[in-house]
Amino acid sequence: DAKTTQPNSMESNEEEPVHLPCNHSTISGTDYIHWYRQLPSQGPEYVIHGLTSNVNNRMASLAIAEDRKSSTLILHRATLRDAAVYYCILRDTTSGTYKYIFGTGTRLKVLA
Amino acid sequence: DAGVIQSPRHEVTEMGQEVTLRCKPISGHDYLFWYRQTMMRGLELLIYFNNNVPIDDSGMPEDRFSAKMPNASFSTLKIQPSEPRDSAVYFCASTHTTDFITGELFFGEGSRLTVL
Repeated sequence: DAKTTQPNSMESNEEEPVHLPCNHSTISGTDYIHWYRQLPSQGPEYVIHGLTSNVNNRMASLAIAEDRKSSTLILHRATLRDAAVYYCILRDTTSGTYKYIFGTGTRLKVLA
Repeated sequence: DAGVIQSPRHEVTEMGQEVTLRCKPISGHDYLFWYRQTMMRGLELLIYFNNNVPIDDSGMPEDRFSAKMPNASFSTLKIQPSEPRDSAVYFCASTHTTDFITGELFFGEGSRLTVL
């Protein structure tokens, strides 16, 4: 499985945008990029996913580099409730596997 | 829908005892996953099922761990005998084949196991 690299932690001020980076230099052409987050004392929850194009949903935006070797999760206005560990995951859809391999993620701290 | 339901939420037991963790997936979901989370190793996939059949159990740490899915609405993860190093939060997750591309897993709230 291709691996991802994320910073261990980041801080942001409330109401400001947050850019969470993820490097995945060994990504293959069929790997989808997924983001999950884990709030304190809860299970992970899905945030967003993409393949090549940038994606937007109600929770966040995903910006994917043209060479796909990196991506950035964008929270447009961070709130205190966004404080969580954010995981960037690569998933190969051609093999039919559902093996999501979670890395160590980025712990986001939001300052009031 | 009630979401993925796990029980117990907390379990404290002594080394050598048998532990059984339970999971009820979201109705209609045909994939079920068991994960373990520790500070040292993060989130690890232990095993997953499709239509009640184990597909990949390569993450199961050793023979002391076993998982079953007798029907579409129930799964168990059993540890026998338990050891202190098994202390962790165990998560169950489910999804449906139609979400294959989306890949959205729905996680339960976890079962926190402490083995003394």
